[in-house]
Amino acid sequence: AGLTQPPSESKGLGQTATLTCTGNSDNVGQSGAAWLQQHQGHPPRVLSYRLRDNDRPPGISERFSASRSGNTASLTISGVQPEDEADYYCSTWDITLNTWLFGGGTKLTVL
Amino acid sequence: EVQLVESGGGLAQPGGSLRLTCAASGFTFNKIGMMWVRQTPGKGLEWLSHISAGGSPTFYAASLGGRFTISRDNIKNLLLLQMNNLRVEDTAVYYCAGGGSPDFWGQGTLVTVSS
Repeated sequence: AGLTQPPSESKGLGQTATLTCTGNSDNVGQSGAAWLQQHQGHPPRVLSYRLRDNDRPPGISERFSASRSGNTASLTISGVQPEDEADYYCSTWDITLNTWLFGGGTKLTVL
Repeated sequence: EVQLVESGGGLAQPGGSLRLTCAASGFTFNKIGMMWVRQTPGKGLEWLSHISAGGSPTFYAASLGGRFTISRDNIKNLLLLQMNNLRVEDTAVYYCAGGGSPDFWGQGTLVTVSS
């Protein structure tokens, strides 16, 4: 059991990127997932909270929006900018394993 | 402003021990669950352990084999990670993080295990 993310995604400047995170009914399906962004050499920062879909973390652009359908969480980045080039991770708690899960991360390249 | 500042990283020999400390400020520490996460250079995030706001329950990644112990001091606003019987593969940047996402992260401290 774990969270599955595509390892890479490439988008042109100004395009829309949709990153996915697939889990199961014990994790994503149970409590959704948070999304984290990590630039090279920096710690992760939260883009969207788990369990607080209507709350946007301070300083996070409205270009980032999170959603969930069943056991899959998605992060949509509208109008991709050069500064969006980073690694993106999903994270959530698994109620059966009693462990915190991180996806393997998706590296977003802006063309 | 929320701040998490890790310390205690450095060079350790295989089989040795280190204790990491995370000093928290800017939020009500004794109300927030906390965790330790590590990251090997060039790799993804690996969750290690979580501790509830009041100090229990605690949870650990099975891969640690009981070598690490998480604790907290809600008077001094500190999160701790005692790491024993260190292995070369424990070399990583160690982050403390807090909240339900987790919502906020420290800058990390580098642990290098090498002879």
